Amino acid sequence: EAQVTQNPRYLITVTGKKLTVTCSQNMNHEYMSWYRQDPGLGLRQIYYSMNVEVTDKGDVPEGYKVSRKEKRNFPLILESPSPNQTSLYFCASSPDRGRVYTFGSGTRLTVV
Amino acid sequence: KQEVTQIPAALSVPEGENLVLNCSFTDSAIYNLQWFRQDPGKGLTSLLLIQSSQREQTSGRLNASLDKSSGRSTLYIAASQPGDSATYLCAVNPGGSQGNLIFGKGTKLSVKP
Repeated sequence: EAQVTQNPRYLITVTGKKLTVTCSQNMNHEYMSWYRQDPGLGLRQIYYSMNVEVTDKGDVPEGYKVSRKEKRNFPLILESPSPNQTSLYFCASSPDRGRVYTFGSGTRLTVV
Repeated sequence: KQEVTQIPAALSVPEGENLVLNCSFTDSAIYNLQWFRQDPGKGLTSLLLIQSSQREQTSGRLNASLDKSSGRSTLYIAASQPGDSATYLCAVNPGGSQGNLIFGKGTKLSVKP
């Protein structure tokens, strides 16, 4: 089944403890991106990647890092999480920027 | 800066009604526009994608239209069913960007049996 898989689905962590949210797609898509969804603010892009080793900032990149060493994987790294990064995170992929996007099921992160 | 607005924020209708969800955007220079559905606790499912050169797209009971010059898109749902209850999101892919979808805040639809 064609899909975008995120792990974990739920995570509670403490301020400052480094964490990684994984994202993997099995559709050989070149384009991948990360969004966060917050009440009243909607979905906002954090980072995106046009292909392997090609990444760039979205609208809200502060406090996040990404890497794209393989085409299928695009992990989101929080080096020192803070409570304002408590949010619902989505990974998405597409064959290219002009095609239909497939979203993962989301990761609900709570930073205390 | 591109902004996307969806009206109404919430809508409740009886089963069987035809309904229209609205999406407006401030900059008409877009690459394409997508409509998504989001169920509680789940991810987004793409419903329809309209390229900037297109006027409408249809899939089953869904029809999406695009009027770039006026900065508007509508999602028409025919013969609504309780299973259509979800939040519907409109997302614009701005022209010249690298694929940064700009989302509206959504319309939460409830279809009563």
